[in-house]
Amino acid sequence: SQQGEEDPQALSIQEGENATMNCSYKTSINNLQWYRQNSGRGLVHLILIRSNEREKHSGRLRVTLDTSKKSSSLLITASRAADTASYFCAKDAGNMLTFGGGTRLMVKP
Amino acid sequence: EAQVTQNPRYLITVTGKKLTVTCSQNMNHEYMSWYRQDPGLGLRQIYYSMNVEVTDKGDVPEGYKVSRKEKRNFPLILESPSPNQTSLYFCASSYLIGQGTRELFFGEGSRLTVL
Repeated sequence: SQQGEEDPQALSIQEGENATMNCSYKTSINNLQWYRQNSGRGLVHLILIRSNEREKHSGRLRVTLDTSKKSSSLLITASRAADTASYFCAKDAGNMLTFGGGTRLMVKP
Repeated sequence: EAQVTQNPRYLITVTGKKLTVTCSQNMNHEYMSWYRQDPGLGLRQIYYSMNVEVTDKGDVPEGYKVSRKEKRNFPLILESPSPNQTSLYFCASSYLIGQGTRELFFGEGSRLTVL
């Protein structure tokens, strides 16, 4: 089945640095979404970018979408220790929203 | 408060003993879905429902059943649980917005162990 594949699988940075996570997919999508999951908790929606959009901002989050390369990136600027979590991309290609394996982000104080 | 509520949150059971994980949402969402999360495999969709009495298989439906008799409830049934169904389960719901565009609201998860 279709899946978003996140890269890297794990990322460790210092507080104040920027964190970039990437997501690739194989087939056409209506939109792509990013979610955050604190350890063992439910996922929380962060941002949605439609297939006809190239870039979107929300606070310290910046998402880009390149449909020609079938890829998206999530940038978290000026990271904080509280940003430590797993981040998932999810592709909406119709009736199903399919998730990738996620990127585990650790932000060290 | 808008929320998706799952019960139980934690459960240890034995092989073959039928169990039901309940899911209820108070946001009047049409769409509901069940996922399982396993290390290294991300979230995989088990079943989903576009509305009352409408359910469909996801990627990994084997060994599970669902029903959608009311809009707010979407229980997940394991008729004869096996150890490979040990996992963290999430229920999620959303509105149907436009051409399948939806933001999912997730429950807090149900950690199931089958011995």
